[in-house]
Amino acid sequence: AQSVTQLGSHVSVSEGALVLLRCNYSSSVPPYLFWYVQYPNQGLQLLLKYTTGATLVKGINGFEAEFKKSETSFHLTKPSAHMSDAAEYFCAVSGGGSNYKLTFGKGTLLTVNP
Amino acid sequence: EAGVVQSPRYKIIEKKQPVAFWCNPISGHNTLYWYLQNLGQGPELLIRYENEEAVDDSQLPKDRFSAERLKGVDSTLKIQPAELGDSAVYLCASSLGDTPNTGELFFGEGSRLTVL
Repeated sequence: AQSVTQLGSHVSVSEGALVLLRCNYSSSVPPYLFWYVQYPNQGLQLLLKYTTGATLVKGINGFEAEFKKSETSFHLTKPSAHMSDAAEYFCAVSGGGSNYKLTFGKGTLLTVNP
Repeated sequence: EAGVVQSPRYKIIEKKQPVAFWCNPISGHNTLYWYLQNLGQGPELLIRYENEEAVDDSQLPKDRFSAERLKGVDSTLKIQPAELGDSAVYLCASSLGDTPNTGELFFGEGSRLTVL
């Protein structure tokens, strides 16, 4: 079984400030971890993913996330928020292998204030 | 390259009426997914196809929901009869394979259903 908990359904930051969106996971097997972004009235788009190897992964639009096994976390960060980053962000986990199934968190809505 | 195309984008129906959603995946993507996204929630998998075969439909409420993927390309998701609780966004996604190492999921814009 696997699950994802996103801490904070709504995060508000000022333009230029650090963005930190929290994600904790539960998985009975080594997880594959993902962050997706959903802009208003659009489909989900992959930001970044961790499967194996380097635990710090970089994605599009300046986002990055670090896999911390000891903390079962995969928090998403961006050093400086831009107005265009306003969207809903979903963390997801899968067990990988032949029974790959993606389980999403409930999402965090990011607002960026001018 | 065209993305995942879904239609209709919006649908409003009375309860007990039938409704159908259509999805055209990215060309060459053999895996197709239907997800349900309730307001304030993350997407939840309804069904996954590998080509024409439904390989995971454990979360599909089979008493009123049905899906098909004839010829392993386009797919249709049907609800009959619709209930008030079916109001949600129905997302279609496709990928080249069924593991994250072979690629990411590409999502359509979704079909928003409102049942009155």
